Amino acid sequence: GAGVSQSPSNKVTEKGKDVELRCDPISGHTALYWYRQRLGQGLEFLIYFQGNSAPDKSGLPSDRFSAERTGESVSTLTIQRTQQEDSAVYLCASSLAGGPGGELFFGEGSRLTVL
Amino acid sequence: QQQVKQSPQSLIVQKGGISIINCAYENTAFDYFPWYQQFPGKGPALLIAIRPDVSEKKEGRFTISFNKSAKQFSLHIMDSQPGDSATYFCAASTGQAGTALIFGKGTTLSVSS
Repeated sequence: GAGVSQSPSNKVTEKGKDVELRCDPISGHTALYWYRQRLGQGLEFLIYFQGNSAPDKSGLPSDRFSAERTGESVSTLTIQRTQQEDSAVYLCASSLAGGPGGELFFGEGSRLTVL
Repeated sequence: QQQVKQSPQSLIVQKGGISIINCAYENTAFDYFPWYQQFPGKGPALLIAIRPDVSEKKEGRFTISFNKSAKQFSLHIMDSQPGDSATYFCAASTGQAGTALIFGKGTTLSVSS
């Protein structure tokens, strides 16, 4: 596929359960970003990976949130002990190179609903 | 604190009219200002972007106007069409490598036919 792929597209879970969201970036893109989009809100930055550098985790809202990326490939965003306020669309984006001026290519998102 | 403020939250424009969305920022280190367009159920996609060395950039019906002294930039959509109905996000980032884009809260545009 040519674009950023995210799975699952929809996830419904019960409060307190853990969830994993997956992102397959565009091949060759060294930078990968996770954003959260709550209903009617903007894009909230969560975490940024650039090559083998230490990730920028400054946007993670709590220690229940974590993300990993293996090399320049797949990334997984994990939310532990989910809460209702975690309900949102989680968007992944990749770019050819990190830093300013790099166009971000977004996936279609994973919609998480916490009951 | 890095922040980008966007207005209005929603906008209704008649077909053929001009749509104007405004953004203001605080961090003078920002030097890249893109606009992203998002259709329902899709991820945002880059529409147009500008750097502060120019005051205006035009691509087709879309124009970014940039006012460095006021720390404001805006998107103008000329001859708005129903197909332009979408959510528009302004964003900004600094010149430091490894910094993420900071997005505004978005403007939902509806163009009536």
